[in-house]
Amino acid sequence: QKEVEQDPGPLSVPEGAIVSLNCTYSNSAFQYFMWYRQYSRKGPELLMYTYSSGNKEDGRFTAQVDKSSKYISLFIRDSQPSDSATYLCAMTRNTNAGKSTFGDGTTLTVKP
Amino acid sequence: NAGVTQTPKFQVLKTGQSMTLQCAQDMNHNSMYWYRQDPGMGLRLIYYSASEGTTDKGEVPNGYNVSRLNKREFSLRLESAAPSQTSVYFCASTDTGTAPSDYGYTFGSGTRLTVV
Repeated sequence: QKEVEQDPGPLSVPEGAIVSLNCTYSNSAFQYFMWYRQYSRKGPELLMYTYSSGNKEDGRFTAQVDKSSKYISLFIRDSQPSDSATYLCAMTRNTNAGKSTFGDGTTLTVKP
Repeated sequence: NAGVTQTPKFQVLKTGQSMTLQCAQDMNHNSMYWYRQDPGMGLRLIYYSASEGTTDKGEVPNGYNVSRLNKREFSLRLESAAPSQTSVYFCASTDTGTAPSDYGYTFGSGTRLTVV
């Protein structure tokens, strides 16, 4: 069983929709939670990071962490065609030389 | 500010050939990583360097070697390439400090390697 499981998708939504992307994990030692966005044939770029349980908002993006359920989510409000990409969740233990474990990614397409 | 620079961007090798993938970062980060990305298998860690002078194996190290040449540069070597090493290779770096933001990676643009 993988340490990090990500909803596989793909996901296709109309422009303006609210998108929910989700990951679960099995290792309670994970303390840092990140979301990356990867456009086709590009490297992943850090979108959001969180440390504790709760919500963190940045513009149209909200990252949610529930450590008790070992579940994290990324919400995208008012989705745009430019949001079409693969989204990767990642998690890190603070004593692990910064090594991150990644989900397999969810590919999102936002249709105009 | 270039971030993380990887060379080459594309490469085709014949089985048994060797090559070195280069990676350099200009952000003064302590830690550097090599991942491979394959369809349906996500990003898998090959090797990492927590700080200058140290290297350690990741999840899939077989068939690879690394060198942390200095704080800026971290190279990945394939000694005898195999078709199973066909993949997209990403180098990444981070600061591993005390702030949560320190644990986010900066990635390079990747090297697309095909072994025939």
